Amino acid sequence: DADVTQTPRNRITKTGKRIMLECSQTKGHDRMYWYRQDPGLGLRLIYYSFDVKDINKGEISDGYSVSRQAQAKFSLSLESAIPNQTALYFCATSDLSGGTYNEQFFGPGTRLTVL
Amino acid sequence: QKEVEQNSGPLSVPEGAIASLNCTYSDRGSQSFFWYRQYSGKSPELIMSIYSNGDKEDGRFTAQLNKASQYVSLLIRDSQPSDSATYLCAVPLGTDKLIFGTGTRLQVFP
Repeated sequence: DADVTQTPRNRITKTGKRIMLECSQTKGHDRMYWYRQDPGLGLRLIYYSFDVKDINKGEISDGYSVSRQAQAKFSLSLESAIPNQTALYFCATSDLSGGTYNEQFFGPGTRLTVL
Repeated sequence: QKEVEQNSGPLSVPEGAIASLNCTYSDRGSQSFFWYRQYSGKSPELIMSIYSNGDKEDGRFTAQLNKASQYVSLLIRDSQPSDSATYLCAVPLGTDKLIFGTGTRLQVFP
């Protein structure tokens, strides 16, 4: 089945460590997104990419970096993790066709805890 | 004004009742509107898309769009305890990204 997968699903790490979260998709979508979700704050966009040569900052990109290794892979890195980056992280994909914005499809999420 | 606004709830309805969830948005040029359901600790799941004024029905779900008033709503008929979740409204910002509301938590009690 066409799908969006994320690894790892859960991660506990310590302050100052480098962490990479990975996202892969088999939907054939060009657009990929990284969000974080915190209680009461909703989904906030970290970075998004429209193809392997296109990377865009979202509303909360500080402290994060991304890599689009291929159309199907989009990784999020925390270079030096801090406790307030503890959150639920989601990858999503979408497609733009016919000039109309289409829905996003989400991966299962990664629960990250920074001690 | 936030770009997408929802009442955080919780909205409590008895089993079998109609649950009505509302969302207002600020961009008059928006053409697409989406409703996602999110269970606690899980990822958002798309349940409805609507692109034109009026109603769109899919099973027990009906999305209603009123572009003149800039609101979109989701009705859930014959609510079930399994419908208990947070419902997120999402509206595109241009052609690049979606703006999500903070969600309305729905509780359906037996």
